[in-house]
Amino acid sequence: GAVVSQHPSRVICKSGTSVKIECRSLDFQATTMFWYRQFPKQSLMLMATSNEGSKATYEQGVEKDKFLINHASLTLSTLTVTSAHPEDSSFYICSARRPGSTEAFFGQGTRLTVV
Amino acid sequence: GENVEQHPSTLSVQEGDSAVIKCTYSDSASNYFPWYKQELGKRPQLIIDIRSNVGEKKDQRIAVTLNKTAKHFSLHITETQPEDSAVYFCAASMDTGRRALTFGSGTRLQVQP
Repeated sequence: GAVVSQHPSRVICKSGTSVKIECRSLDFQATTMFWYRQFPKQSLMLMATSNEGSKATYEQGVEKDKFLINHASLTLSTLTVTSAHPEDSSFYICSARRPGSTEAFFGQGTRLTVV
Repeated sequence: GENVEQHPSTLSVQEGDSAVIKCTYSDSASNYFPWYKQELGKRPQLIIDIRSNVGEKKDQRIAVTLNKTAKHFSLHITETQPEDSAVYFCAASMDTGRRALTFGSGTRLQVQP
């Protein structure tokens, strides 16, 4: 089946630094990818929709200058958390749906800890 | 936009009993309703899904029912086992790859041996 791969799975960074998370669709082309954030014991909340070759669409309340999304190819979307703060510590998960299929495939998730 | 509500937030059952989790959605345009099982620190795993042209779908011990008129759908797990213990999320979206899933708040299911 289709696979979405996310890297890294775990990262610890210092306050004020930036962290890049990669999301790859391994066996299909994804013109659209989705980035979710999940705080402990909470649900997955959509942050933004990543569109290949165009600007991402951000959900209300998500700072586009803080969470930079780049979808430069049909198999790769990246999320960069800039000037990270402890409150950005969370589980970030990407997702993509294979063309012609309704099923959503998720990356492994990235546990970000900002110290 | 879509809003999905999920109940209960926690559910404890004895091994062998049935478990039912219910969700409601707000957007009548939604026509795809998946259910996910998520273990701590891992990605959500699709366990069953249903489209709005179907009222019920079953896969072994798991079934999902959909009432499109009332805008609610439910997950039924029969003969529960300890390994069913996890957090379950319902979701809703339009049946297109360009639309994200909207998730419910989750149900923590605990199956007591």
